[in-house]
Amino acid sequence: AQSVSQHNHHVILSEAASLELGCNYSYGGTVNLFWYVQYPGQHLQLLLKYFSGDPLVKGIKGFEAEFIKSKFSFNLRKPSVQWSDTAEYFCAVTQGNAGNMLTFGGGTRLMVKP
Amino acid sequence: ETGVTQSPTHLIKTRGQQVTLRCSSQSGHNTVSWYQQALGQGPQFIFQYYREEENGRGNFPPRFSGLQFPNYSSELNVNALELDDSALYLCASSLVDTYYGYTFGSGTRLTVV
Repeated sequence: AQSVSQHNHHVILSEAASLELGCNYSYGGTVNLFWYVQYPGQHLQLLLKYFSGDPLVKGIKGFEAEFIKSKFSFNLRKPSVQWSDTAEYFCAVTQGNAGNMLTFGGGTRLMVKP
Repeated sequence: ETGVTQSPTHLIKTRGQQVTLRCSSQSGHNTVSWYQQALGQGPQFIFQYYREEENGRGNFPPRFSGLQFPNYSSELNVNALELDDSALYLCASSLVDTYYGYTFGSGTRLTVV
């Protein structure tokens, strides 16, 4: 069974700092990769996704992620965080041939200090 | 877009009881998935419904069951509730081609006492 690991459970940054959240998955076949964000009291929202093509994916709100197949990684980055980025971030994967099941990582709780 | 709506938002049940959670899909979506999110963890896939039939199931026992209706709304039923069933239950709707992504509801917080 595939699994997704997010090694940083809690991250605290000051505004304007750069952000990188790690995500590694275990499945060796074709995968589709997602990052979701959950703001306090709100539903999960899609930040970005990778299905194929350019491994550097740009999403909403200035976020981007890079798919590195050899490292089974899909790290999320943002050059300069804002207080409004305080939220929980989830990496998720679907298998390419059975894309109906999202496997989520455990999440990273980001706090941005003003 | 109407989004995904779930009801109720909060629920308290006693161990051994049964519960039904409801979900209305986003307009135009024909597939609905249910996830369980325990406190401090990522969501875990329960099952998915497409064309009113189960179209994939995660590692959950048979006392977790579901329905999808012709209007693509859905129910999650849990029988013989256990304390560990306490969690946030999320509904997500999508097209069967998941390239277009999933839209999640805000969830139902179930507490089993």
